[in-house]
Amino acid sequence: GAVVSQHPSRVICKSGTSVKIECRSLDFQATTMFWYRQFPKKSLMLMATSNEGSKATYEQGVEKDKFLINHASLTLSTLTVTSAHPEDSSFYICSARDAGLDYNEQFFGPGTRLTVL
Amino acid sequence: GQNIDQPTEMTATEGAIVQINCTYQTSGFNGLFWYQQHAGEAPTFLSYNVLDGLEEKGRFSSFLSRSKGYSYLLLKELQMKDSASYLCAVNDDYKLSFGAGTTVTVRA
Repeated sequence: GAVVSQHPSRVICKSGTSVKIECRSLDFQATTMFWYRQFPKKSLMLMATSNEGSKATYEQGVEKDKFLINHASLTLSTLTVTSAHPEDSSFYICSARDAGLDYNEQFFGPGTRLTVL
Repeated sequence: GQNIDQPTEMTATEGAIVQINCTYQTSGFNGLFWYQQHAGEAPTFLSYNVLDGLEEKGRFSSFLSRSKGYSYLLLKELQMKDSASYLCAVNDDYKLSFGAGTTVTVRA
């Protein structure tokens, strides 16, 4: 099946710093990637939809100036958490849709555990 | 808004069968997915239903009734490794809305 990678897998940072998370589709082209956040024992919440070559679409309540998304190529999307605070500590997961498939399946990355001190 | 409900927890014995129900009320519908998620890991795909009926895949089966806004995931011949969270997700305009997940614990 299609493979999606994320980097880093874990990151610990100080409050006020910015953190960049990369999401790559390794063996397919992804015109659309999605960013989710998951708090402990909670479900995945969609943060934004990332479209290659255009601006991301953010879900209601998600600050676009705080969570910067760039989808510069068909295989890479990045999420930057700017001026991170402890409440941003969470599990961030990306997924990608294969542009070559009619099927609606999303392929998930392994996730990034962010801890803000 | 989207409303997707599934039980919080279920416990079953190794070798048994467990059925996880999911009901949904969403503004649109382009199919329903079931994912398995182990703690600290990303979800992995289990099944996809877009038409009414039963889809069988080895030990896992999934059922959908669009008129009732209802799906279930059936896990047969439970193994210890099946202990995980199971997420129901509705595809609406290519975006997934997830239920809170059902934690299944398999006991020996």
